[in-house]
Amino acid sequence: QQQVKQSPQSLIVQKGGISIINCAYENTAFDYFPWYQQFPGKGPALLIAIRPDVSEKKEGRFTISFNKSAKQFSLHIMDSQPGDSATYFCAASIWGNTPLVFGKGTRLSVIA
Amino acid sequence: DTAVSQTPKYLVTQMGNDKSIKCEQNLGHDTMYWYKQDSKKFLKIMFSYNNKELIINETVPNRFSPKSPDKAHLNLHINSLELGDSAVYFCASSQVRAGGRKSSNTGELFFGEGSRLTVL
Repeated sequence: QQQVKQSPQSLIVQKGGISIINCAYENTAFDYFPWYQQFPGKGPALLIAIRPDVSEKKEGRFTISFNKSAKQFSLHIMDSQPGDSATYFCAASIWGNTPLVFGKGTRLSVIA
Repeated sequence: DTAVSQTPKYLVTQMGNDKSIKCEQNLGHDTMYWYKQDSKKFLKIMFSYNNKELIINETVPNRFSPKSPDKAHLNLHINSLELGDSAVYFCASSQVRAGGRKSSNTGELFFGEGSRLTVL
């Protein structure tokens, strides 16, 4: 069974636009929600992460919004740039207790 | 300096062969992992080791055998390779132990660049 559902599978955004990727989780014990970014031929790398004590976290152009009651979290990329074109993975775990469970990934293409 | 390094980067082999992938991390982390990424980019954990001890073994055929000679190394040996084993295998490390709690860490997983295995 898939514990973290991610959508959309692929996304095309104009340069300067907002990219939004959504994830939903099932396990209410999850308390750590990171997003990873993967460029072709590279391993995933941590982009930004959130714990459920806050509803939003912002780092530069990247923002995580977290809705605990709905068991959903999303990544917003403001002013999207061609260099943001990559595959993005949401993930979840019980902090320090279970390994990360990843969503199936979203391939983002930012076109000029 | 590469934090998590894997070799080889590419591996092409015939069905039925045995092959190994090596991984080393120089981050001083206690926990290392093997993840499998299939053709649809799905990342799935296979194994996790903490300080040379196996702590997670997901539903993986026993043809796959991880070995950790020390906490900085985690190798993956695959026997009797099958077509379905074709994938990219990622090694990763973290300071957070899966199965216990540690303070003053971010839980960040550091991935290697992957080893693309093609079974013909």
